[in-house]
Amino acid sequence: GQNIDQPTEMTATEGAIVQINCTYQTSGFNGLFWYQQHAGEAPTFLSYNVLDGLEEKGRFSSFLSRSKGYSYLLLKELQMKDSASYLCAVTDSNYQLIWGAGTKLIIKP
Amino acid sequence: GAVVSQHPSRVICKSGTSVKIECRSLDFQATTMFWYRQFPKKSLMLMATSNEGSKATYEQGVEKDKFLINHASLTLSTLTVTSAHPEDSSFYICSARDASGTDYEQYFGPGTRLTVT
Repeated sequence: GQNIDQPTEMTATEGAIVQINCTYQTSGFNGLFWYQQHAGEAPTFLSYNVLDGLEEKGRFSSFLSRSKGYSYLLLKELQMKDSASYLCAVTDSNYQLIWGAGTKLIIKP
Repeated sequence: GAVVSQHPSRVICKSGTSVKIECRSLDFQATTMFWYRQFPKKSLMLMATSNEGSKATYEQGVEKDKFLINHASLTLSTLTVTSAHPEDSSFYICSARDASGTDYEQYFGPGTRLTVT
């Protein structure tokens, strides 16, 4: 079966750094996405990785290791507005998105 | 960036009535649109994949006669919840894939909150 695992909830302090991990087992791989979703809103795109390595975009970075079926989203200089759910999603061999359950990130002052 | 709209953003309807939700790609053509349902504190659940000019492909467990999907043009897909019941109350989100895109990113609409009383 297809499976994506990410922690259910994480807590971090404003100004700090947090890493949200995602492991996946899917039938084929055509890219991995990270989305941010605030409560009651639709997801917004954060990053896309299809090759191994680190992609940096401002305060957010995403890393991918295809051989390990592993990705992480790194958030630096945390702000209160970063409190949200972070969804990991993998595009499988049919180019369908397989979603993780999301990680709820709580930022404390 | 690519923009997807949904209408309405919120709808309250009585049990037994039908509700139509529209999903539009505003500045790109979408040969494929997706309809998701999200329960509170849960991840997105793919309901169906909507292809322009052909019948939608429904995921296992999704009743095609209850959730009617029409993708009549390259910029519009509609989801009609027929004979709605309180258990259909949920957050429905559509997404669209740019026909000219190469990274297979899906652009999400803002979602529709459906409450069935």
